[in-house]
Amino acid sequence: GENVEQHPSTLSVQEGDSAVIKCTYSDSASNYFPWYKQELGKGPQLIIDIRSNVGEKKDQRIAVTLNKTAKHFSLHITETQPEDSAVYFCAAPLGYGNKLVFGAGTILRVKS
Amino acid sequence: DAGVTQSPTHLIKTRGQQVTLRCSPKSGHDTVSWYQQALGQGPQFIFQYYEEEERQRGNFPDRFSGHQFPNYSSELNVNALLLGDSALYLCASSLRSGDYNQPQHFGDGTRLSIL
Repeated sequence: GENVEQHPSTLSVQEGDSAVIKCTYSDSASNYFPWYKQELGKGPQLIIDIRSNVGEKKDQRIAVTLNKTAKHFSLHITETQPEDSAVYFCAAPLGYGNKLVFGAGTILRVKS
Repeated sequence: DAGVTQSPTHLIKTRGQQVTLRCSPKSGHDTVSWYQQALGQGPQFIFQYYEEEERQRGNFPDRFSGHQFPNYSSELNVNALLLGDSALYLCASSLRSGDYNQPQHFGDGTRLSIL
């Protein structure tokens, strides 16, 4: 089955710096890769996603890159702000039908 | 446009009891998935409902069951509660599109504590 590994488990950056979180997946048939942000006491919020027919997608300060050959994808946050502090999860589908397997999460702390 | 809503927000039960959690999907969505999130971990898929039927199931015992209603809302039932069932239970909704993965939107969950 699908296995998703996420690194690092914690990440501290200075406000204004960039943050990068990486995930690897095992199922070469996977074709959809979402990223979620989870704040304390809240559910995961979808912040960006990418499909396997593109290599990169950007939305303002957030970007996701995908390397299908190496089976890894990364989240890039530029010009980090204190409100970016949260737990970030990557995910990949197991087979068909929207069954997501999540990484273990990355705690991002942005220091002001 | 209302997002995914879940009730109750918190629940305390004792071992052996039964619990029902509820979810209303985002407007326009017809598919509901349930996930269990233990403290400090990523969500784990329990099952998915579409057209009032369970379509996919994760690695959870049959103490976990569900239902979807004609208005697309859903319930998660857990029988014979164990201490290990303490977790945040998340509902996610999406729009079914065959085998094509659609974005899933989560509610804020129900925090279940078992004493």
